[in-house]
Amino acid sequence: DTEVTQTPKHLVMGMTNKKSLKCEQHMGHRAMYWYKQKAKKPPELMFVYSYEKLSINESVPSRFSPECPNSSLLNLHLHALQPEDSALYLCASSHRSSGPTDTQYFGPGTRLTVL
Amino acid sequence: AQSVTQLGSHVSVSEGALVLLRCNYSSSVPPYLFWYVQYPNQGLQLLLKYTSAATLVKGINGFEAEFKKSETSFHLTKPSAHMSDAAEYFCAVSHSGNTPLVFGKGTRLSVIA
Repeated sequence: DTEVTQTPKHLVMGMTNKKSLKCEQHMGHRAMYWYKQKAKKPPELMFVYSYEKLSINESVPSRFSPECPNSSLLNLHLHALQPEDSALYLCASSHRSSGPTDTQYFGPGTRLTVL
Repeated sequence: AQSVTQLGSHVSVSEGALVLLRCNYSSSVPPYLFWYVQYPNQGLQLLLKYTSAATLVKGINGFEAEFKKSETSFHLTKPSAHMSDAAEYFCAVSHSGNTPLVFGKGTRLSVIA
């Protein structure tokens, strides 16, 4: 099973709302990632978790708050977002501690719209 | 700093024609190179990767790529395009150490019947 699942598929939220994105994998991977992808652009790395610890934070605003409750689950908590945060949010996982040759397996993404 | 440049934001080919998507890398250390495909409204899927073993790498769906150090290139090819190949293709690079993937800007492939 090489599947990464993400919920919800679509999310519309107001600027004062609090919501969460969820990502799950059951491949025994120990590195998990959040990416943001705007239309017609490549994915931009936001966060990396390695063995359930935050290892990379690419200077993401504090209105995005990641959480890794266990090795299979990754959340992204959203609060007070701006319309420019509307994008496709992709989760990925890889076998080891974000090793350079490891394949990242991507989920289908959550399409977020901020009104 | 490492980076990849994908030449051509949009490539259009006829069904059955050769597909050639170009990727050049810039890296001060030996790179690891990847090609990912993204179909509309989906996540990314790995096509193939170069990890310093064979320079000619075969991937899924009939795609292959050749690592050419002298040209700093890792172009993606497929002998005969199929309608189902229409998608966005991303070249990406990483190198040793705890560094994340760096993606190119992507090339959209259209296949004309």
